[in-house]
Amino acid sequence: KAGVTQTPRYLIKTRGQQVTLSCSPISGHRSVSWYQQTPGQGLQFLFEYFSETQRNKGNFPGRFSGRQFSNSRSEMNVSTLELGDSALYLCASSLESSLSETQYFGPGTRLLVL
Amino acid sequence: AQKVTQAQTEISVVEKEDVTLDCVYETRDTTYYLFWYKQPPSGELVFLIRRNSFDEQNEISGRYSWNFQKSTSSFNFTITASQVVDSAVYFCALRWNYGQNFVFGPGTRLSVLP
Repeated sequence: KAGVTQTPRYLIKTRGQQVTLSCSPISGHRSVSWYQQTPGQGLQFLFEYFSETQRNKGNFPGRFSGRQFSNSRSEMNVSTLELGDSALYLCASSLESSLSETQYFGPGTRLLVL
Repeated sequence: AQKVTQAQTEISVVEKEDVTLDCVYETRDTTYYLFWYKQPPSGELVFLIRRNSFDEQNEISGRYSWNFQKSTSSFNFTITASQVVDSAVYFCALRWNYGQNFVFGPGTRLSVLP
């Protein structure tokens, strides 16, 4: 079974631009979560989508948004990029959106904002 | 508030040594799950183990073992006879019943030297 895939793997943007990252979950998985990883803040939860609905949201500004499609694929958008948005963005999928579910992570998209 | 502490920032051992990675968590929920993930240099988080709050049995999987103690709110991870391939950053994570998804510890960077 193919794992979680994320595109693109690397991205360079400038301040003020916007960016869209894509995540394809493991086949059959309906929940997709997004995380931001930086050296200073570590791994932080952004949001979770299940059945095209946002289920949980972390403490990030409204510039960070996402959506999920009927095939469970998810996109994350960051508008008006800031230097501090430079990070590794990780997507994780699980079968369902429940406490006991294990999340399986993709390789991440490394975003650099100049 | 929910929190995960990994006091060891970096650990270096020589191959074949045993090493224990510490994880201390905080939560007021009685139902929660604890996880360990490994992040090799490639960046993708690899799931290692999941444990729920009602199951304090220790677990052994090959060279890996986990010690869960609710009395001390700890979920420690031991690698026996470490190998160079074990070099990675290891994250302990907590998932509880309400609110945000996962909270991750800051990670412990393990270097196994030949």
